[in-house]
Amino acid sequence: DVKLVESGGGLVHPGGSLRLSCAASGFPFSSHAMHWVRQAPGKRLEYVSAISGDGNSTYYANSVKGRFIISRDNAKNTLYLQMGSLRVEDTALYYCARGEYEGFDYWGQGTLVTVSS
Amino acid sequence: DIQMTQSPSTLSTSVGDRVTITCRASQNISSWLAWYQQKPGKAPELMIYKASNLENGVPSRFSGSGSGTEFTLTINSLQPDDFGTYYCQQYDSYPLTFGGGTKVEI
Repeated sequence: DVKLVESGGGLVHPGGSLRLSCAASGFPFSSHAMHWVRQAPGKRLEYVSAISGDGNSTYYANSVKGRFIISRDNAKNTLYLQMGSLRVEDTALYYCARGEYEGFDYWGQGTLVTVSS
Repeated sequence: DIQMTQSPSTLSTSVGDRVTITCRASQNISSWLAWYQQKPGKAPELMIYKASNLENGVPSRFSGSGSGTEFTLTINSLQPDDFGTYYCQQYDSYPLTFGGGTKVEI
């Protein structure tokens, strides 16, 4: 079974940093693009970042460009999101998801990031 | 960035109704559009991809249509399990973007 499990969320002060992880299993990880999507409490889904299967191509929403870095370790079947210069408006549930030409077919359960002083 | 506009934002419906949700893209995205259902406290679930393809396991009462900039999600004979918020998403070009969501209340 395909499984995506996020971790690393927590409470952080504005300006701080946090690294999220997404452990993948049940599929050939390096063959799939991976994504981060976030959702502030009671708000819409917001696309954050993507990385190609080989890790050579990355994409970011304008709202996080220059502050967040997406990466992956295909040997460990793990996706990462290094978040820096965090702002109150980055508070959200962060999901990792698998997908490319057929939409995002698998999602994790999310990890909560709270940015507050 | 490509803007995705969904309408309506809320739908009050009844079991057995036919429901139609519209999604408009700010530029041509061909058929690179997906629809997701999200229930409270849960991750989104893929319903439709490439505008009109039903994801495995999704009931046949769901259907999608459209191309270019106008897309529609239709639910025939709405069932109690169909409540939730539906989002469209374009994956034609980065950054990928979601619509604002349509809350279906039963």
